[in-house]
Order: sequence, then C-alpha cells, then structure tokens
Amino acid sequence: DAGITQSPRHKVTETGTPVTLRCHQTENHRYMYWYRQDPGHGLRLIHYSYGVKDTDKGEVSDGYSVSRSKTEDFLLTLESATSSQTSVYFCAISEGRNTGELFFGEGSRLTVL
Amino acid sequence: AQSVTQPDIHITVSEGASLELRCNYSYGATPYLFWYVQSPGQGLQLLLKYFSGDTLVQGIKGFEAEFKRSQSSSNLRKPSVHWSDAAEYFCAVGGTASKLTFGTGTRLQVTL
Repeated sequence: DAGITQSPRHKVTETGTPVTLRCHQTENHRYMYWYRQDPGHGLRLIHYSYGVKDTDKGEVSDGYSVSRSKTEDFLLTLESATSSQTSVYFCAISEGRNTGELFFGEGSRLTVL
Repeated sequence: AQSVTQPDIHITVSEGASLELRCNYSYGATPYLFWYVQSPGQGLQLLLKYFSGDTLVQGIKGFEAEFKRSQSSSNLRKPSVHWSDAAEYFCAVGGTASKLTFGTGTRLQVTL
C-alpha cells in the first residue's frame, strides 16, 4: 500500500472556525491532490500540487486553500468552515502528471455544525 | 466540458454470478480511462487503466474492462463475484492525473 496518512481522520467543528487537514506521504511522489467526496457527486478535485510551493485550483476550490512546504506534506485549510463543507476529504498522490494512476489515503470525515 | 455518467447507482448480484458495470463519458479528445474501487471506509484503489491499444484490459482482483472509444463507453466485468467485491466502483476519465473527472459511482451489493 502507498504510504499516505491523513489527519485527523474524523473532525467535528462549528461554522466559522478554521480547519486544517494534513496529508503526509512517504513515497516521494511529486503530485498531491485533495478531493472531496459527496453523495451524488463522486469525487471532485479541490486543489492539487505539482511540487513544493507549486499548487493549482481544481473544480471546487472556493473556500479552500492549500500549502506545500515539503514534498511529503500537503495541507488543506478551510479558513472559515461552512456546513456545505461537511464532506469526506481524500488526499491522493501520483508519481507523474501523465500516469493517471492515483493512490488515495483513507479519508478525513469533516462535519461542520 | 468532460463528464462521466455511471447509469446504475446501485446493483445487487448473487455471489458467483457475473457482474457488468457501465460507464459513459464525454471528452473532447482521447482520454485516459480508469476504473477504481472503494471498499467501505477506505480510499479508492485502481482496478485498471486504459491508455491505448487492446480495448480489453485485465485488472486486479479478477476484473476486466472493455473500452469502446467509438461509443465513449466502458464496461467493467467480472465472471464470478465474491462477497468481498461488495464496494463502490468509480469510472474516471481525463487527459492527465490532475484533470480526472470521476463518475458518481455504482454501489455493488453481493448477496450470499
């Protein structure tokens, strides 16, 4: 199994509070991604990174920011959480841009009350 | 814009029976095609991928998929389903790993 660790795995928070989810990889892969999974929507890309300090927006980036200061860590921040951000968040990594094969973490379930 | 449709939200199959899941997609160019599986409480795992060449691709766990580019579709198949195959199956298409579009998934239930 790919070495991908997400933390926390479960979090309950209140509307308006900041939240940071962490993804840590031990594979030294260049590309890292944050997805959210919601019923009826499948997986949707929030942000991705193609190297240290290099990030780009995905399909549903509003309300989210990311940072990558080290190859192994990719942080997803909700500056002011809203109930619409209640979801399961998955981190994924890939070795290259064109391989297409993503390796996923086990997910972080976030509930915003 | 690219899109992926998995027309079956939920499928129930008896253990030992065959399985076929459908995926239709819309994409402006020639995409890469993938099938992923998600077991309960887990992340997604790649079952198989198709870039070019033979349109019948063998994957892990006894799965195979046929890719029909002329029809913009793919069928995921398994000749004999095991109870451990109960999971959610996702089709995905894209030009690169950073531009994948996932379908909404098909949940497979296996009855004993």
